[in-house]
Amino acid sequence: GIQVEQSPPDLILQEGANSTLRCNFSDSVNNLQWFHQNPWGQLINLFYIPSGTKQNGRLSATTVATERYSLLYISSSQTTDSGVYFCAVAVRYSSASKIIFGSGTRLSIRP
Amino acid sequence: EPEVTQTPSHQVTQMGQEVILRCVPISNHLYFYWYRQILGQKVEFLVSFYNNEISEKSEIFDDQFSVERPDGSNFTLKIRSTKLEDSAMYFCASSEALRRTGAYEQYFGPGTRLTVT
Repeated sequence: GIQVEQSPPDLILQEGANSTLRCNFSDSVNNLQWFHQNPWGQLINLFYIPSGTKQNGRLSATTVATERYSLLYISSSQTTDSGVYFCAVAVRYSSASKIIFGSGTRLSIRP
Repeated sequence: EPEVTQTPSHQVTQMGQEVILRCVPISNHLYFYWYRQILGQKVEFLVSFYNNEISEKSEIFDDQFSVERPDGSNFTLKIRSTKLEDSAMYFCASSEALRRTGAYEQYFGPGTRLTVT
């Protein structure tokens, strides 16, 4: 099945810093989503981005489907950005409707 | 903004007991899913449901698990005889019908934390 790898696994930054999180996937996809899991365990939808670039405030994401990777950018980090960031994909042309999650990047923002 | 809701937020049960986790998907969505996340691990797919039947299930979704859409709004996950290893966060998700491109996005509920003692 498709492999989803996220890097780095852990990232510790000072408040105000910028960060780039990466998601590599091993097959063509027709769905890619980024989630933020907050300290209470909730999964917050950040982006639905099977291709192209999107921006939402301090966050932006780019997916290059032909090269099988996606990047999540966080600028001017705040302590509330702490948590685990997951990338999840669904395989193109698959009859299955599931999405496959990566192992996540744990981001810690220090004040 | 429409959202997926789940109840209860936290359930504690004894090993061997039956539990039912409840979800209300977004009202115009047609595809429904359950995922689980064991503490500290990644989120894993359990089952997808469309047109009143299971469309896909994972190896985790064995005979102890079942899903049902008992009415027009609720979607439930039942675990018949819970085991210690069923302790996890269970997420419900829903999505619209497939788009013309075949792409879709899934919206997740806040989760139910199940603790089996």
